[in-house]
Amino acid sequence: DAEITQSPRHKITETGRQVTLACHQTWNHNNMFWYRQDLGHGLRLIHYSYGVHDTNKGEVSDGYSVSRSNTEDLPLTLESAASSQTSVYFCASSAFRSRRGGLDEQFFGPGTRLTVL
Amino acid sequence: ELKVEQNPLFLSMQEGKNYTIYCNYSTTSDRLYWYRQDPGKSLESLFVLLSNGAVKQEGRLMASLDTKARLSTLHITAAVHDLSATYFCAVDRGGGSQGNLIFGKGTKLSVKP
Repeated sequence: DAEITQSPRHKITETGRQVTLACHQTWNHNNMFWYRQDLGHGLRLIHYSYGVHDTNKGEVSDGYSVSRSNTEDLPLTLESAASSQTSVYFCASSAFRSRRGGLDEQFFGPGTRLTVL
Repeated sequence: ELKVEQNPLFLSMQEGKNYTIYCNYSTTSDRLYWYRQDPGKSLESLFVLLSNGAVKQEGRLMASLDTKARLSTLHITAAVHDLSATYFCAVDRGGGSQGNLIFGKGTKLSVKP
């Protein structure tokens, strides 16, 4: 069955270190998204991609970067981790419904809990 | 700026009762999603509402969309304990930013016997 996976599921790191969170989907979806979830803020979009070599900034992109070299993967990199980036990170993907209908609903991965000490 | 507001943020219900969760958004959008999240778990897609007047039902949940009022509702009929979860609505910015979703803060639903 097609799925979307994230790794690691839990990560503890230190302030200033570079961290990369992996996201892999086998849905063959063109569109992929990264969110962070924090108490009191709900989910907020970090970066998203409509296809290979395409990346776009979301609402809270500062301190994060992504690259899309193939359809299946969208890794999220924290260049220099900060305590404010302690959060639960979700990756999602969606298909393109139609020119008129836009994008289909997003399917979410299991999440990565990141703690920055 | 697109804002999405849900209310209530917390809801404690008795089994068998009916209730409605409201989702208001601040700018034009014709694409709205409802998701469910169980504690410590990922988000599960419930409904996709793509046009004004859209109504979708699944079991004890029914969602509707009024784009003129910029309002979506999630109605719960005869609640059961298994519906306890956090429910999120999300609005698509659309245009050149399709899929750029703005989420509400969620409604934490607790259904008690």
